[in-house]
Amino acid sequence: GAGVSQSPRYKVAKRGQDVALRCDPISGHVSLFWYQQALGQGPEFLTYFQNEAQLDKSGLPSDRFFAERPEGSVSTLKIQRTQQEDSAVYLCASSRPDRGHYGYTFGSGTRLTVV
Amino acid sequence: KQEVTQIPAALSVPEGENLVLNCSFTDSAIYNLQWFRQDPGKGLTSLLLIQSSQREQTSGRLNASLDKSSGRSTLYIAASQPGDSATYLCAVRWGRRALTFGSGTRLQVQP
Repeated sequence: GAGVSQSPRYKVAKRGQDVALRCDPISGHVSLFWYQQALGQGPEFLTYFQNEAQLDKSGLPSDRFFAERPEGSVSTLKIQRTQQEDSAVYLCASSRPDRGHYGYTFGSGTRLTVV
Repeated sequence: KQEVTQIPAALSVPEGENLVLNCSFTDSAIYNLQWFRQDPGKGLTSLLLIQSSQREQTSGRLNASLDKSSGRSTLYIAASQPGDSATYLCAVRWGRRALTFGSGTRLQVQP
């Protein structure tokens, strides 16, 4: 597609509920990133994929967070047993082959509110 | 620790002014630096990407400079317009592939 697509745009979850957030990267982009952005802050790195391989998950805040990209294109970020501190905007970004020369294209994000 | 800091946190200027947004980073061994714009409730729009070997990049009324030795980048906006009102984020890529972001500068251009 022309850009990075994320769905849903908004999600309200009751505390303890599981949620799944989807990211459709730009076709041909092998690198995919997930970020978490709290209100008034810059995005914080969560995890990184190169094709289907999850090469870095050091930013995931707890074992309730899980991400996958089974076929090297669409990715899903899953949060189990959501808590209020999980409320944030979750941003997905993709990039062309990882040679350090390319910038990143971000989606519009999913705003998660845990009530 | 590799950190990115942006000053000021917020800025309000009258229309037509030229302005400078500042970004500083703690480790000069960067791959590249990218400036983004974020409108309320929206994702990030890439404005300029500066590779580590470059000193500046220009796009229209925007000019970004990079001084690795001092750990600084500036985003210069000429002849500001109300449509420039947004949050501007600076992001640095070091050895790891992910970007590290500053907290942003919220710009308001008054008509």
